[in-house]
Amino acid sequence: DTGVSQNPRHKITKRGQNVTFRCDPISEHNRLYWYRQTLGQGPEFLTYFQNEAQLEKSRLLSDRFSAERPKGSFSTLEIQRTEQGDSAMYLCASSTRTGSRETQYFGPGTRLLVL
Amino acid sequence: KNQVEQSPQSLIILEGKNCTLQCNYTVSPFSNLRWYKQDTGRGPVSLTIMTFSENTKSNGRYTATLDADTKQSSLHITASQLSDSASYICVVSQGSSNTGKLIFGQGTTLQVKP
Repeated sequence: DTGVSQNPRHKITKRGQNVTFRCDPISEHNRLYWYRQTLGQGPEFLTYFQNEAQLEKSRLLSDRFSAERPKGSFSTLEIQRTEQGDSAMYLCASSTRTGSRETQYFGPGTRLLVL
Repeated sequence: KNQVEQSPQSLIILEGKNCTLQCNYTVSPFSNLRWYKQDTGRGPVSLTIMTFSENTKSNGRYTATLDADTKQSSLHITASQLSDSASYICVVSQGSSNTGKLIFGQGTTLQVKP
């Protein structure tokens, strides 16, 4: 499978615990994005990497959230001291720019439930 | 404020019928507009992408239109199938953004019934 993969697919945790999600992008893609999607809404941008550099972070990404892409390949998104409001689908997407066009390919997402 | 709004919020149609989904945006400067299909519990999958100069793009039974003057787009689905049941998301990319950050609509949930 050469698509974007995410692990785990589902995560249930208690409030206050830390969680970490992983995203493996399509191998030749140098751009990687994290989004959060709540029920009935479109995805909201969280952060973006070009290779290993984190170039942009949304104000939605509070201090409890941190993302890394240490070798410019896979990425992790960690949420510390989870809150019930963090319950959502966390989507990862990767892309490579061709001219002025860029298509982001999404992974299946990690669904987080904070009890 | 850069926004993408879609209508209707949800839609139920019978198998074999056609339907049209609407998207209005207030994103400036505009780079391109895409329609994504998102099956329940899955990530979005790109259906079409249109730049400023393109006003129609087809992908099988899906046809997207774009009116850059009125900042409106539509997605027309012909001869619907049960597998078309999904959320359809309109996404606009800002021309000034070097990051490729996309602005998503809230989606239209389509249910095709037999």
